[in-house]
Amino acid sequence: TQLLEQSPQFLSIQEGENLTVYCNSSSVFSSLQWYRQEPGEGPVLLVTVVTGGEVKKLKRLTFQFGDARKDSSLHITAAQTGDTGLYLCAGNDYKLSFGAGTTVTVRA
Amino acid sequence: SAVISQKPSRDICQRGTSLTIQCQVDSQVTMMFWYRQQPGQSLTLIATANQGSEATYESGFVIDKFPISRPNLTFSTLTVSNMSPEDSSIYLCSVRDPRGSNYGYTFGSGTRLTVV
Repeated sequence: TQLLEQSPQFLSIQEGENLTVYCNSSSVFSSLQWYRQEPGEGPVLLVTVVTGGEVKKLKRLTFQFGDARKDSSLHITAAQTGDTGLYLCAGNDYKLSFGAGTTVTVRA
Repeated sequence: SAVISQKPSRDICQRGTSLTIQCQVDSQVTMMFWYRQQPGQSLTLIATANQGSEATYESGFVIDKFPISRPNLTFSTLTVSNMSPEDSSIYLCSVRDPRGSNYGYTFGSGTRLTVV
């Protein structure tokens, strides 16, 4: 049973546009993490959110954690071709449980 | 964060054979994790490997099919046994940041396995 649901599954946008990826959990984890994975590589951590209502910014990326600590979003402003990749949310307890992932393609 | 060397990076194997994947970490870690990722899809945890004890397998994965060794705190192997085309996938190892899980996990680059 998939504990974390991500949407959309695929996203293709033009360079310069904005995008948002959503992650919804059926349970509460100790924290939630976002990773980005490029072809031929393992996932790389972008951010960890712990506190309900938390907002974190990483350059053009903004991460929000819902008050109930069950939903999260990743917003990219003015996307660049280098943002292309598979974005994964993961619930973190003593191990990671991954969502299905969102494949983002940014066209030049 | 830790640096993981995983090999082989890819292999094409005949059905019925076995492949052993190796992961070497540049620091001592208590737990190592093995994942399977089908192309374009998410990661599914196969098992958690602790040094000095048997690996803990997730639902749907068994030791006879995916035996794991963990001889020391920097090395682990995963064997995919008696392979079939359904085992074609990417296999990744991972370790937790020693500062704590909230600092994230580091992953190897993966082994892309094709079974023919």
